[in-house]
Amino acid sequence: DGGITQSPKYLFRKEGQNVTLSCEQNLNHDAMYWYRQDPGQGLRLIYYSQIVNDFQKGDIAEGYSVSREKKESFPLTVTSAQKNPTAFYLCASSSPPGATMNEQYFGPGTRLTVT
Amino acid sequence: AQSVTQLDSHVSVSEGTPVLLRCNYSSSYSPSLFWYVQHPNKGLQLLLKYTSAATLVKGINGFEAEFKKSETSFHLTKPSAHMSDAAEYFCVVTSNNAGNMLTFGGGTRLMVKP
Repeated sequence: DGGITQSPKYLFRKEGQNVTLSCEQNLNHDAMYWYRQDPGQGLRLIYYSQIVNDFQKGDIAEGYSVSREKKESFPLTVTSAQKNPTAFYLCASSSPPGATMNEQYFGPGTRLTVT
Repeated sequence: AQSVTQLDSHVSVSEGTPVLLRCNYSSSYSPSLFWYVQHPNKGLQLLLKYTSAATLVKGINGFEAEFKKSETSFHLTKPSAHMSDAAEYFCVVTSNNAGNMLTFGGGTRLMVKP
């Protein structure tokens, strides 16, 4: 059963702590993405990776870091430098850009609350 | 550059009546357009997509959308709303030039009254 998994579903942290969100996919997709969603807003791109061992900053990368050591995995670390980390985080994957546009497949999300 | 505007942040309909969620886009290149649905505290699920084939696109759960280049619109419709349709809907645009990077609209929350 192919798909994207994110864990945990809910995460609570104290201010000043780094926290890592997990994202795993078994769709054999090359590209993976991290988005942040705030209440009543659309999604904003944090980081993306088109291929293993390579990633690029999105629109709101400050205070976040990622790694892409394996095709299946794209963990996101929310650092203490992120000023407003409480949000819903969504991971997605897709085939690489080609002759046709491929949609992104989304995981179920992780709701992070920092107090 | 590309952008998406969802014209209504909230839409309320009665069960059994038609649904219309409006979306206008801007893109410098031939766009691909998507509608995604998000139920509370869930990820996004693809409803339908337009990629330069037929301009009337049919999706899951009875939804469809029509690509109108002259109006730069991609409105989502359904003939008869069901209670389970209550969710947040996102219109999304991308293009070859954007390298599969998606630009999201602000979302429309659909409420369905019994």
